[in-house]
Amino acid sequence: GAGVSQTPSNKVTEKGKYVELRCDPISGHTALYWYRQSLGQGPEFLIYFQGTGAADDSGLPNDRFFAVRPEGSVSTLKIQRTERGDSAVYLCASSDGQRETQYFGPGTRLLVL
Amino acid sequence: AQSVTQLDSHVSVSEGTPVLLRCNYSSSYSPSLFWYVQHPNKGLQLLLKYTSAATLVKGINGFEAEFKKSETSFHLTKPSAHMSDAAEYFCVVSLRSNDYKLSFGAGTTVTVRA
Repeated sequence: GAGVSQTPSNKVTEKGKYVELRCDPISGHTALYWYRQSLGQGPEFLIYFQGTGAADDSGLPNDRFFAVRPEGSVSTLKIQRTERGDSAVYLCASSDGQRETQYFGPGTRLLVL
Repeated sequence: AQSVTQLDSHVSVSEGTPVLLRCNYSSSYSPSLFWYVQHPNKGLQLLLKYTSAATLVKGINGFEAEFKKSETSFHLTKPSAHMSDAAEYFCVVSLRSNDYKLSFGAGTTVTVRA
């Protein structure tokens, strides 16, 4: 079946603007994760959803970052007042339960000018 | 806390020769260990994972890794490299008690020469 999809694939914005990044997980997967990958580094954990609730948001860097998953499927990562340091690839993953393999989407490349 | 160190940022091999990607981890508790591969413009794909069963783990595409607790290592190998193996490889660790939170190494870029 279809894998994890993310939109947009690329986003260019100006410093101070608001952006939303969308993740469509694999159908039926209860767990969803967001990671951020800066240039030349491995992905870093941001937040984990089990169903509709954020079970662990300890990786969100500050209160400008927020994520929702209102119906337990699609998730949106929201970044307010973007800064140049937010430029990175934002990766979404989903799994069929907490202990199962995480399947990653292709990512959204965010560039803040 | 757990962390991962990938000892080589870049590895270059000739097609048909062995590949060795080195990874050391630190973890206060029994870890789960993974190798993921990332091809350009594609999502991360799981190659293999270790979760306390056999210490030699076989993965997809002919890759395997050996868990050595005494050396805190989880090196990835393949006997014969193929051109399609050119990609970025990540060693990843998670705690059994917190196993949804993957901690990635910085990655190793593999190039394969014809």
